[in-house]
Amino acid sequence: GENVEQHPSTLSVQEGDSAVIKCTYSDSASNYFPWYKQELGKRPQLIIDIRSNVGEKKDQRIAVTLNKTAKHFSLHITETQPEDSAVYFCAATDILTGGGNKLTFGTGTQLKVEL
Amino acid sequence: GAGVSQSPRYKVAKRGQDVALRCDPISGHVSLFWYQQALGQGPEFLTYFQNEAQLDKSGLPSDRFFAERPEGSVSTLKIQRTQQEDSAVYLCASSGKRGTNTGELFFGEGSRLTVL
Repeated sequence: GENVEQHPSTLSVQEGDSAVIKCTYSDSASNYFPWYKQELGKRPQLIIDIRSNVGEKKDQRIAVTLNKTAKHFSLHITETQPEDSAVYFCAATDILTGGGNKLTFGTGTQLKVEL
Repeated sequence: GAGVSQSPRYKVAKRGQDVALRCDPISGHVSLFWYQQALGQGPEFLTYFQNEAQLDKSGLPSDRFFAERPEGSVSTLKIQRTQQEDSAVYLCASSGKRGTNTGELFFGEGSRLTVL
């Protein structure tokens, strides 16, 4: 089955700086890679995702890059703000096999944006 | 409601008690998932339904865990003879209105189970 590793486990940045979170996956069949943000005591919410037919996707201050050959993908947050403070989870799955969107999650990165 | 609803939000059980956790998915969503999230960890897959059919239960940790979705909508996760290691947040997620699948999972707020 799929195995997703994520690092760092904690990340502290100054407001306005950039933050980068990296994940690796093991199953070459995986083709869908979402990122979820989870604030304390709240539900995980999708912030951006990428499919294996593209190498990069951007949405305002958030971008995700994918290297299929190396089996790794990264989340980039620019101009960080205090409200970006949360736990971020990467995930991977094969979205095409008809098995639903059974995601395998990484262990999470606690991002703290300091004033 | 518009989102995935779970109840109870918090449950304290004595070791050995049975518990039942309910999930009300987004109306029309075909797929329903249960995940277990231990403190400081990512969600771990438990089981998956497509409509009323349980297509994958490979993540259920033991035969004390049982899930059902009899009418293809509301789902219940039941844990029998709870143990301390069952303490976690149980997340339900749904996705996939018929004819569309963006890949996104919509999560509920979770049910936090504490076994004493």
